[in-house]
Amino acid sequence: AQKVTQAQTEISVVEKEDVTLDCVYETRDTTYYLFWYKQPPSGELVFLIRRNSFDEQNEISGRYSWNFQKSTSSFNFTITASQVVDSAVYFCALTPYNTDKLIFGTGTRLQVFP
Amino acid sequence: NAGVTQTPKFRVLKTGQSMTLLCAQDMNHEYMYWYRQDPGMGLRLIHYSVGEGTTAKGEVPDGYNVSRLKKQNFLLGLESAAPSQTSVYFCASSQSQGGWDTQYFGPGTRLTVL
Repeated sequence: AQKVTQAQTEISVVEKEDVTLDCVYETRDTTYYLFWYKQPPSGELVFLIRRNSFDEQNEISGRYSWNFQKSTSSFNFTITASQVVDSAVYFCALTPYNTDKLIFGTGTRLQVFP
Repeated sequence: NAGVTQTPKFRVLKTGQSMTLLCAQDMNHEYMYWYRQDPGMGLRLIHYSVGEGTTAKGEVPDGYNVSRLKKQNFLLGLESAAPSQTSVYFCASSQSQGGWDTQYFGPGTRLTVL
């Protein structure tokens, strides 16, 4: 089965707190791609990161960081020193190798309060 | 460079009416996709196209038809709308097969079927 699980439906934090959004995936393929997208209140989907299954290096981009661990089939996303503008729904997604399908998790709604 | 655009942004239909959603991309991408987003279910793939003149079914194709007569356009049709098709519809495009390249999304169309 190919599946993405985002167990956290909603998270609320106060500005400047660090927050981690969990993503666990299932696939039998050895080659696959993982993505994170952000959906702000305005509704559009914004691409954040793509990672292939052979690259387990953690990625940092400003206040955002991603921790990919094949051993636990997880691709977690951390926001450091959260800001109100980070309030959005965040989706983790999986594409198995050589397919045309992007399999989404159900999303985690993050609310950052001032 | 507008990226991916969708027309219309909002629409209200009565049960049984028909309509067409238009997606246009100016990135010369080969692949185009239609998704629907429902509360608590993430995004699900309706239909997709791997090139001009081609279409294929996704996860939830029933009740929808698509056409890709021009490379830059991907149309989603509802022949006889049903309340179960009330949703937010997203179009996306990518240069190559899903995993090798990132899918970029349009702003979405909010459809309500009464």
